[in-house]
Amino acid sequence: DSGVTQTPKHLITATGQRVTLRCSPRSGDLSVYWYQQSLDQGLQFLIHYYNGEERAKGNILERFSAQQFPDLHSELNLSSLELGDSALYFCASSVGVGTGGYTEAFFGQGTRLTVV
Amino acid sequence: ILNVEQSPQSLHVQEGDSTNFTCSFPSSNFYALHWYRWETAKSPEALFVMTLNGDEKKKGRISATLNTKEGYSYLYIKGSQPEDSATYLCAFLSRDDKIIFGKGTRLHILP
Repeated sequence: DSGVTQTPKHLITATGQRVTLRCSPRSGDLSVYWYQQSLDQGLQFLIHYYNGEERAKGNILERFSAQQFPDLHSELNLSSLELGDSALYFCASSVGVGTGGYTEAFFGQGTRLTVV
Repeated sequence: ILNVEQSPQSLHVQEGDSTNFTCSFPSSNFYALHWYRWETAKSPEALFVMTLNGDEKKKGRISATLNTKEGYSYLYIKGSQPEDSATYLCAFLSRDDKIIFGKGTRLHILP
């Protein structure tokens, strides 16, 4: 158990809908990262938050947004869902000194999103 | 476009043999390189965080080296065991906070 909790584990929803994925980082970790893993792709970095502020954006669509709350949990909001958004979404956390690159990241178990 | 390449994509190794694989990354704008081990139906687990050119890290039978000038890192596994079967991912972290994963090397240990 990495100490990072993601909910829900599975989510099935229809095209056009909006969903929220939740991540609770390890106790003491200030950085939260979101990743997407589609069938034919490797892990794609979406966004990084550090202590409540957005640090970096990767290949995140405009239909997607995220935030990190004062208690450091994070939510990833996916809207106007398309079939191609079906993927495994991972959250990871790290102590995150500076950009966090110097410290290892701990991954949650992921949320499997299926858009039908 | 920043690209991280891992080779080979897939590898079959006899139990007890040693093996290694490569992660190639951009040599400019380097900040750190992470190695992860990803078992099927689990989440990636960090193996090494490497930051300095010439870094060598070791954890049990697994070790890694880093060459930031030429943009590559090697992961070595000595005396492979069945529990080493997994996908090994590297992730390149740039100075402007980009994180790019390779597609991984899938390692199968044959009994």
